[in-house]
Amino acid sequence: GAGVSQSPSNKVTEKGKDVELRCDPISGHTALYWYRQSLGQGLEFLIYFQGNSAPDKSGLPSDRFSAERTGGSVSTLTIQRTQQEDSAVYLCASSLALGGYIQYFGAGTRLSVL
Amino acid sequence: QQQVKQSPQSLIVQKGGIPIINCAYENTAFDYFPWYQQFPGKGPALLIAIRPDVSEKKEGRFTISFNKSAKQFSLHIMDSQPGDSATYFCAASLQTGANNLFFGTGTRLTVIP
Repeated sequence: GAGVSQSPSNKVTEKGKDVELRCDPISGHTALYWYRQSLGQGLEFLIYFQGNSAPDKSGLPSDRFSAERTGGSVSTLTIQRTQQEDSAVYLCASSLALGGYIQYFGAGTRLSVL
Repeated sequence: QQQVKQSPQSLIVQKGGIPIINCAYENTAFDYFPWYQQFPGKGPALLIAIRPDVSEKKEGRFTISFNKSAKQFSLHIMDSQPGDSATYFCAASLQTGANNLFFGTGTRLTVIP
C-alpha cells in the first residue's frame, strides 16, 4: 500500500476485555515500531520489530501487553484485560530498516476503555 | 524520565509571524533529531531533521537550530501560514540499534489569518 495502515481506526471496549490492534507497514519495510500517544503526552515508545523479531520488550507498559509480527509484514498489538489507563492512540510506524531511516507513521488506533 | 523536553505546550501567532519551538535533551549519545508535524486524526509526519554535526538546517520555511553544548534544538517557522496550524513534536534517537524515537510532549501551534 501507499502508507502504513492501521485498523481499526477507533475501538471502544469495556474494562477487562481483550483488544487486538493491527498494523500493515509499507511494503518492503523491515523495521516496525509501536508507540502510544496519551492525551497531553508525547509519543511513548512501546516495542520494535526487525523482521519478525522483537529483541527488546522492556518498553511494554505491563505484561498485559504483547505484540507479534508475522511474515515480516503485519503486526498486531494485543492488550489483555484492558484498563481505563490503556485509553490512548496507538501508533505504528515502519522504516526501510533499522538505523538512519525515516519512520513513517500510520493514522493510529484510538482506544477508549470504558 | 522525559528524555526530551519541549516548550511551549501551545503557541498562537499571527499569519506571517515566526513561531519558535524549543527542545532540550538529556542523552548526549543521541545522534538524530527529527521534527514531526501532526494534523488532527493523522499520524505524525517527518518535517525536517538534523544531525549533531551541523548547527542549522533549512528546508523551505522550516529551520532547525542546534546547540550541541547546551543540548538544545529549536524549530523556527518563517512566514507562518494558517495551514501550518498543527501539533509539532521534536524527537531524538540513537541511529545505531533500534533507532526508536524519544518524543517531546508536543506543541500545538495555531496560526491566525
